[in-house]
Amino acid sequence: SYELTQPPSVSVSPGQTASITCSGDKLGDKYASWHQQRPGQSPVLVIYQTTKRPSGIPERFSGSSSGNTATLTISGTQAMDEADYYCQAWDSSSLYVFGRGTKVTVL
Amino acid sequence: QVQLVESGGGLVKAGGSLRVSCAASGFSLSNYYMSWIRQAPGKGLEWISHISNSGSATYLADSVQGRFTISRDNGKNLLYLQMNSLRVEDTAVYYCGRAVEQDTFDLWGQGTLVTVSS
Repeated sequence: SYELTQPPSVSVSPGQTASITCSGDKLGDKYASWHQQRPGQSPVLVIYQTTKRPSGIPERFSGSSSGNTATLTISGTQAMDEADYYCQAWDSSSLYVFGRGTKVTVL
Repeated sequence: QVQLVESGGGLVKAGGSLRVSCAASGFSLSNYYMSWIRQAPGKGLEWISHISNSGSATYLADSVQGRFTISRDNGKNLLYLQMNSLRVEDTAVYYCGRAVEQDTFDLWGQGTLVTVSS
């Protein structure tokens, strides 16, 4: 089955940049999405098709890809960005695959 | 308001059955493929089932194959997940998700908690 690998945690100071990576076999040939889940809330899509931002998502959220690694970048991180972030991709065998999630702590 | 609202969760004994529902409002469910995704307590997200917009094609993860069934009633704007032979490890919050671009979910419900006791 297809797997996506994320770091368990990332710490960032307010106003600084946080980067979360997601790697998977041939991920560069697929689209990556990122979902934010604040404590006690449902997930929210923040990046789709690797680099696109849905309407209503702040510009400080951006996505990129290099090789088989997708990256979510949060620029000028705010306290409200403290959440779990899940990368997700579609695979023809496994269908919808999620990474295990990265907890972003704003110190 | 565009939203998804799940219902039907609760406490059930291992081996029992439960059906959870997802009501769509603010858009026509018939235009979208839909999925169920679950999250065990303190754990990550796990996709478990998917259905085409007409309901003619369904897909299940290996972890629920043969026990769960996904269905929909587009006339009522409702999505369902019938869960049989429930196990303790099925304990989770069950979310419905609207699938877009054939590869992600742009709208999530608030979730409904299913607890399976031994």
